Amino acid sequence: EVQLEQSGAEVKKPGESLKISCKASGYRFTSYWIGWVRQMPGKGLEWMAIINPGDSDTRYSPSFQGQVTISADKSVSTAYLHWSSLEASDTAMYFCARQSPIELRYWGQGTLVTVSA
Amino acid sequence: DIVMTQSPDSLAVSLGERATINCKASQTVLYSSNNNNYLGWYQQKPGQPPKLIISWASTRESGVPDRFSGSGSGTDFTLTISSLQAEDVAVYYCQQYYRPPYTFGQGTKLEIK
Repeated sequence: EVQLEQSGAEVKKPGESLKISCKASGYRFTSYWIGWVRQMPGKGLEWMAIINPGDSDTRYSPSFQGQVTISADKSVSTAYLHWSSLEASDTAMYFCARQSPIELRYWGQGTLVTVSA
Repeated sequence: DIVMTQSPDSLAVSLGERATINCKASQTVLYSSNNNNYLGWYQQKPGQPPKLIISWASTRESGVPDRFSGSGSGTDFTLTISSLQAEDVAVYYCQQYYRPPYTFGQGTKLEIK
């Protein structure tokens, strides 16, 4: 069974760094791209970026390029989303999802990130 | 970027009646070499992650009731729920996966009238 287990909710201050995770199981991690999707409070879905865990090839939305970094560690079957300096506007739910082969068929439960002074 | 525009933004339909949601892409999402439309529909209920219900514009996912159907090609697509049930209350999103960034529509909130 394909599962994506995301790390727990985070409360951070503006300017702090953060890395959230998405641990995959039930399939060969390197065979499918994994994407990240943002959902701000009460708002719609925004596609952020995807990564090929096999070779770490990435694609970013222009809206998120330079704002976040995605990565993957094959040894632990985990994808990451990283901010070097959080802003209040980063407050949102973040979902990871596995492409299969391109559509997002499998989703994590979401990680709520709250950024507040 | 390919812009996906859904209509309406919200919709109230009586139980047992038909619900129709439209999605328009700013450019084609039909890949001519394989004649596939790179378009999916997702259902999101409160407090849950989205769930893929239709892929390739018209292929219903396993376990999705047959009252859900997808149609359209090129730039214009439709999600139809033939007989609305209470459990269908949700926000529905279309997404193009023709070219990155794989953009979503703004969502359509479906409620019971």
